[in-house]
Amino acid sequence: DTGVSQNPRHKITKRGQNVTFRCDPISEHNRLYWYRQTLGQGPEFLTYFQNEAQLEKSRLLSDRFSAERPKGSFSTLEIQRTEQGDSAMYLCASLDSGNTIYFGEGSWLTVV
Amino acid sequence: AQKITQTQPGMFVQEKEAVTLDCTYDTSDQSYGLFWYKQPSSGEMIFLIYQGSYDEQNATEGRYSLNFQKARKSANLVISASQLGDSAMYFCAMREGKSQGGKLIFGQGTELSVKP
Repeated sequence: DTGVSQNPRHKITKRGQNVTFRCDPISEHNRLYWYRQTLGQGPEFLTYFQNEAQLEKSRLLSDRFSAERPKGSFSTLEIQRTEQGDSAMYLCASLDSGNTIYFGEGSWLTVV
Repeated sequence: AQKITQTQPGMFVQEKEAVTLDCTYDTSDQSYGLFWYKQPSSGEMIFLIYQGSYDEQNATEGRYSLNFQKARKSANLVISASQLGDSAMYFCAMREGKSQGGKLIFGQGTELSVKP
């Protein structure tokens, strides 16, 4: 499978716990994006990387959220001290030199 | 500010018929791209079709075509010969040419149900 890979696909966590999601983009795609999607809404941009550099962060990305992309390959999104409002699907996507952004299957987070 | 509007929360279509999903956009940029994605219940966002703002011809990809009307700022998706597997959420998205990083802005989506 050469698509964008995300794991875990589903995560249930207690409020206050930390969670981490991983994204493996399509090989050689130098841009990587994180989006958040809540029920009934379209995806909302969180942040993006050009290789290992994080170049833009949305105001949606509070201080409890941190994303990294060491070595410019896979990326992680960590949420600290989770809140019920963090329950959503977290989508990762990557872009090559063309126009199309390819998405992974998403990681569902439920905070109880 | 750029914005995407999808005014149809839900649509029904009979199998084998054509259906049009509406999308309007707002941008002050001259250079931008418009995208349609399909999202089945599994959650994955599947790329369907792309239209560049300078493309003179409407984009087509198999049973999908994009009815691009630049003056009206609309980019409607037409699905011909609907199939049961087309039942899903459909999102219209835009990327401004000058948008740093090329991030996409999405509409609210339209849920399409194909009836047998």
